[in-house]
This record gives sequence, structure tokens and C-alpha cells, in this order.
Amino acid sequence: DQQVKQNSPSLSVQEGRISILNCDYTNSMFDYFLWYKKYPAEGPTFLISISSIKDKNEDGRFTVFLNKSAKHLSLHIVPSQPGDSAVYFCAASVVDSSYKLIFGSGTRLLVRP
Amino acid sequence: GAGVSQSPSNKVTEKGKDVELRCDPISGHTALYWYRQSLGQGLEFLIYFQGNSAPDKSGLPSDRFSAERTGGSVSTLTIQRTQQEDSAVYLCASSLRPTANYGYTFGSGTRLTVV
Repeated sequence: DQQVKQNSPSLSVQEGRISILNCDYTNSMFDYFLWYKKYPAEGPTFLISISSIKDKNEDGRFTVFLNKSAKHLSLHIVPSQPGDSAVYFCAASVVDSSYKLIFGSGTRLLVRP
Repeated sequence: GAGVSQSPSNKVTEKGKDVELRCDPISGHTALYWYRQSLGQGLEFLIYFQGNSAPDKSGLPSDRFSAERTGGSVSTLTIQRTQQEDSAVYLCASSLRPTANYGYTFGSGTRLTVV
């Protein structure tokens, strides 16, 4: 049972345009949602998070939107840069004693120069 | 060190052999996690250590998997009698304290291939 789903395995956008990465979840008990970025042969790097009581969080070029009624979140990157090309993972957590994360399967973003 | 260090970076082993994977977390980080990423999949939680508390082993897929964390620092993940389905990238992560909203710092992982 996949609790966190990223239905698009890949996305290609032109440099300077907006990248929108999507994520759906099934567990209404999730408290926090996070996005990680992963380059080949490196570990994932934390990008941005959002609490379930918020609907938007912004950090520079990165904005995460949360729609709780639809159990959907998205990461917007504006403007997209070639260095943003990586695999992006959506993750969710229940704030319990371990704060373990449930990850989606990732979306590979390619930003074309 | 400056980051989470994992060794070896690559390991090829024969089916049925035991393997040990090592993780050196960031100094002072009390929380340590092990995840694995199989081909084309997301990261799968394996085990969590926090200080001297009993670890959360709820993600370990079978009793062939075990992990320990000595002295609240270095952790070793052991897989006994490896199977081909154990092939994956094993990732270790640490954080200063358990946290939901700031993420944790991952190492580069150990790529395990069971032949």
C-alpha cells in the first residue's frame, strides 16, 4: 500500500520556466510533508517542508503547496535552472516517537538549457 | 566529520554471505536512521536510533536484518544470508534531534549488489 505517490516518473522543462512536481498521499494523519532532491551517487538533500496546518511555504525559488482536502501537494520551482536537474522525492511523516519518513518513488526533473 | 559518512560505497557479495554496512553520523547528532532504495523505488524506512532509547525496528524486512549503534555514534547494519532481493542502495541519515520539519542529513549510501 503506497501511502505517498509520485505518479510522474519524469518531467522535462525549459530553463527559466516553471517546474511543477506533484505528490499524492492517502494517510490523513501525516503531520509534515517534505521534499528532497537527489543527484546521482549522492544522498538525498532536504529542500523544503510544510506543516499540515499550512497550505503554502516558500523558500527562494521553491514553493510547496498543500491541498489537504485533495491529499495533494506540489513543489514549484521558478525559474528552473539546469542545476535543478535531479530526482525529487516527496516524503511525509507522522509526528510520533521516531519521525520516520514515508517516501514517494521520485520524479526525475530535467531542465533543458 | 562534516557530513554523514558511509562505508563501503559499493559492495558486491555472493548470495548467502553476510554483509556489514557502516554509518558514521554527524558528530553530536542523536537521531540516526537507516533507509534503503531499491531500483525505481522510493526510500524505505528500516530502523531508527535515538540516544539510549530502544530502537524502532519496525521497518526491518526480515530477521536476517539487524542493526546496532555503539556509544550513540557509529551504526552498523548487518544483513545475514543475503538474497538477491536485498540488492539496493542503503542510506544512513542523522539529525541533531528527532525532527519532522527540517529533514535529516543523508550519507551517500552503500550500493549493495547480491550476485
